[in-house]
Amino acid sequence: AQKVTQAQTEISVVEKEDVTLDCVYETRDTTYYLFWYKQPPSGELVFLIRRNSFDEQNEISGRYSWNFQKSTSSFNFTITASQVVDSAVYFCALSRSYNNDMRFGAGTRLTVKP
Amino acid sequence: KAGVTQTPRYLIKTRGQQVTLSCSPISGHRSVSWYQQTPGQGLQFLFEYFSETQRNKGNFPGRFSGRQFSNSRSEMNVSTLELGDSALYLCASSLKGTGDSPLHFGNGTRLTVT
Repeated sequence: AQKVTQAQTEISVVEKEDVTLDCVYETRDTTYYLFWYKQPPSGELVFLIRRNSFDEQNEISGRYSWNFQKSTSSFNFTITASQVVDSAVYFCALSRSYNNDMRFGAGTRLTVKP
Repeated sequence: KAGVTQTPRYLIKTRGQQVTLSCSPISGHRSVSWYQQTPGQGLQFLFEYFSETQRNKGNFPGRFSGRQFSNSRSEMNVSTLELGDSALYLCASSLKGTGDSPLHFGNGTRLTVT
């Protein structure tokens, strides 16, 4: 079975703090894909990053970075020097290799206060 | 390039009625997926269409159905509405319809059943 767990329901930080959003997944597939999406108050889910199961390199994009560890089945997301505009619900998702049946975690609501 | 367009944005229906939601994918995208989002259940996969064929279906009753047209536009229908069907319905398209192809979401249709 495919499952994604985001244990943190809500996180509140003050602007400029660093914050890490946790994601743990379960799958029996050897090839799979992991994603992070951001859902601002407007409702539209915005794609942030994709990682395949064979690529454990960490990735950095501006203030965002992702740490993928197959040994712990985790794909964590860190925002450095958070800003108010980062306030949103963040979803981690898992997809099989051959279709678009993407399974999402419950989401983590991040609030960044000025 | 225009994004995924969903219409209408808001709907209010009465129990027992039926409703049809529409989704226009990004030009060139052949896969369209539908998700239901509720505060209690999160994002749940409804079904996915690729080249007018339903390829995958989530765990929803037969009251939920969909179709895809030759231009890749998709519709979702819910018959005999129940109060529990109140939710944000999100449509997403992807280029290849495979697991590595990110989903691009629309703004959603918020359905309220009274």
